[in-house]
Amino acid sequence: GDSVTQMEGPVTLSEEAFLTINCTYTATGYPSLFWYVQYPGEGLQLLLKATKADDKGSNKGFEATYRKETTSFHLEKGSVQVSDSAVYFCALNTGNQFYFGTGTSLTVIP
Amino acid sequence: DSGVTQTPKHLITATGQRVTLRCSPRSGDLSVYWYQQSLDQGLQFLIQYYNGEERAKGNILERFSAQQFPDLHSELNLSSLELGDSALYFCASSPGTSGSAYTDTQYFGPGTRLTVL
Repeated sequence: GDSVTQMEGPVTLSEEAFLTINCTYTATGYPSLFWYVQYPGEGLQLLLKATKADDKGSNKGFEATYRKETTSFHLEKGSVQVSDSAVYFCALNTGNQFYFGTGTSLTVIP
Repeated sequence: DSGVTQTPKHLITATGQRVTLRCSPRSGDLSVYWYQQSLDQGLQFLIQYYNGEERAKGNILERFSAQQFPDLHSELNLSSLELGDSALYFCASSPGTSGSAYTDTQYFGPGTRLTVL
């Protein structure tokens, strides 16, 4: 069935380090892909999205490219800040249903 | 602010009781989703409504039920509560317009924290 698999956490990085959080998916058809972020004590917020193959979503310095050949949508940021500490969720919309990954906790230390 | 509102923000109750959580979607959104987030099970999809009709069902217990009203707000009813039902309950909404369902984005509310003592 359709699903999303994301990198296990927690991830701890120093400020200004490079971030990659891996996400792969299984789906038939042409799904849309999303990254959501959840800051402590808050709900999930949309970070970025891509709706077709080779699309790149970007926001707040984060980027992810929809790779149909590798069924991946890895999240990257060139230089993380302490304020990026949060839980990141990869998600998939098949048109019939949404699927969320298990979440990856990121802690950025000064 | 996503435009999705949830009430109450916090709820403390006892085992065996029944509670109702309320969600108002973003203006114009037809789809409403309910999720449960607990420490040990992550984000679990419970149920989706589209324009008043149930559209998809996830890991929702029989003790739980939901509905979406004509004004599109939704309620999640939890009954015979157990300690293990303590969690954050999120509502999300999306436009849900046909023909573009696969590009729909979900917008989440701030959640209701349920504590069962």
